[in-house]
Parts: sequence; C-alpha cells; structure tokens
Amino acid sequence: KAGVTQTPRYLIKTRGQQVTLSCSPISGHRSVSWYQQTPGQGLQFLFEYFSETQRNKGNFPGRFSGRQFSNSRSEMNVSTLELGDSALYLCASSLSTATTNEKLFFGSGTQLSVL
Amino acid sequence: GENVEQHPSTLSVQEGDSAVIKCTYSDSASNYFPWYKQELGKRPQLIIDIRSNVGEKKDQRIAVTLNKTAKHFSLHITETQPEDSAVYFCAAAGGGADGLTFGKGTHLIIQP
Repeated sequence: KAGVTQTPRYLIKTRGQQVTLSCSPISGHRSVSWYQQTPGQGLQFLFEYFSETQRNKGNFPGRFSGRQFSNSRSEMNVSTLELGDSALYLCASSLSTATTNEKLFFGSGTQLSVL
Repeated sequence: GENVEQHPSTLSVQEGDSAVIKCTYSDSASNYFPWYKQELGKRPQLIIDIRSNVGEKKDQRIAVTLNKTAKHFSLHITETQPEDSAVYFCAAAGGGADGLTFGKGTHLIIQP
C-alpha cells in the first residue's frame, strides 16, 4: 500500500506570494490533517479534514486554508506569505472516524522557504 | 483548547540505561495519547499509544503510563540502544475525535 505522498518536496517563495501544497493520503483513509513543524515550536496543528469537511482547526491566521476532495486528497493554501511561514509542512492521514482518533501516518513533508 | 507540556527538552542517557519522558495535558476530556518518534530528516512515526481507559501499555522495551487524575503520561524506554536516538513527541486528543495537540518534543541522545 502506498504511503502518504506530499508534493512538492521543496518550495522557495518570496514574501507576499501564495502557495499550494498537496497531499495524497493512504488509500481508504478519510481523515487528513496538516501540521507545521519548526525547530522551536515542534508540531503545530493547522487543520483536519474528514470526508471533505473541515473538522478541526488550529490557532493559525486565516491566511492558512485547506480543502479536501471527494477522493480524500487534500490541499493547503497559504496566502500573502510571511518570512515566519518558512517551515516543514507535514500532512498525515488516518483511519480516524467521526468519534475516534487513530494512528497518524505522516508524509515526508513540504519544506517551504520564504525569502 | 488542549495544551500539552513535555519535559525534558533534551535527555542524554548512557546506552543500556533507561529513559523517561513526561507530558502533562490540560483538557480532562482528552482520551487518546500517542507518542511519535522522529529520526533526523525523517517523518514522525507512531511508536506507542494509550487510551484513557487503560493505565499502562507496554511493547517490548517501550511502555507508556497514564495518570488521568494528575493529567500526565510518560514514556519509558528501557535498555536504550543507539537507534533510540531521535526526537520524541507526545500528543493528546480530546473527545469527539479532536485534532492532536503535540508537545514540543524531547531530543533523546544515547551516549555510547
């Protein structure tokens, strides 16, 4: 079974630009969540999608948004990029349901650098 | 929302000794507590998890204990080996399948 796939692997953008990251979950996983990883802050939860609906949202500004498609693939978008958005963005999928949390399977991440 | 505190941020132990990493959480409704291991340059991977209806769980050299009253849980690694060197993250999730809140991580260093 293929693992969680994230594209692109690396991105370099300039301040003010916007970016879209993509995540393909493991087949059969309906839950996809996104995390921002930085050396000082660890793993910070951005949002989670389940069956095309945003189920949970972390404490990030509205510049961060996402969506999930009917095949469970997910995208996240960051608009008006700031230098502080430079980070590794990790996507994870799971068999979590509407009422239970299950093991997360992480992708390799997208390393975003904002210049 | 949930807040997870993790200590220590760095832990250095001699090979063969035990290592203990502790986490506290704030939301008494949290019911799922996983631990993830992230080796340098790699993705986080689940090593063990525990749910609130269980006080302790063990898997070979790794064990997790949960104290719901005190709202803290701990990871115990016995007979540490060089391959245990990594960053370990604890996490907690509330009822109703809330998103996971992670601690800031512990860098475990195994000294030969």
